[in-house]
Amino acid sequence: GIQVEQSPPDLILQEGANSTLRCNFSDSVNNLQWFHQNPWGQLINLFYIPSGTKQNGRLSATTVATERYSLLYISSSQTTDSGVYFCAVSSRSTASKLTFGTGTRLQVTL
Amino acid sequence: DARVTQTPRHKVTEMGQEVTMRCQPILGHNTVFWYRQTMMQGLELLAYFRNRAPLDDSGMPKDRFSAEMPDATLATLKIQPSEPRDSAVYFCASGLALGDSSYGYTFGSGTRLTVV
Repeated sequence: GIQVEQSPPDLILQEGANSTLRCNFSDSVNNLQWFHQNPWGQLINLFYIPSGTKQNGRLSATTVATERYSLLYISSSQTTDSGVYFCAVSSRSTASKLTFGTGTRLQVTL
Repeated sequence: DARVTQTPRHKVTEMGQEVTMRCQPILGHNTVFWYRQTMMQGLELLAYFRNRAPLDDSGMPKDRFSAEMPDATLATLKIQPSEPRDSAVYFCASGLALGDSSYGYTFGSGTRLTVV
């Protein structure tokens, strides 16, 4: 099946700092999503981004499908950004089954 | 906003008991997933339905787990008999997939299962 690797595994930021999270995948994808799992365990969909660039407030994401990676940018981080960020992908070869990376655990401190 | 509804939110049960978790996908979505999340294994796919037909349940322990979609508005995941190692958070997700294309999936809030 498709392999998904995320880096870094852990990240500690001071409030106001910027960060970049990376997701590498091993096959052509027809779906790529970034999720935030908050401290209450909810999985919140941040972006549906199989290719291109999107922005939503302080968050933006870019997927370069031909090079098989995606980046999630967090600017001016806030304590509410803490949690785990997951990249999940699916491909035609896996009948659109969604495969998750192991996540990046982000802690934003005051 | 449309949402995926899962019930119950929390369940504590004794080992050996039957557990049924329910999911109401978003209206119009034709794809439903069941995932299990544990600290050790992360998010594991258990079962996957397209247009109510099971496409992949290879991640599910067949001897005790079963997943069904009796109609387009309800997906169920059943464990019988339950064991302590089944303790986890179980997520349901739904989305729209057409041909080779998919358009993003939305997750429910999960069912936190504790088997004692």
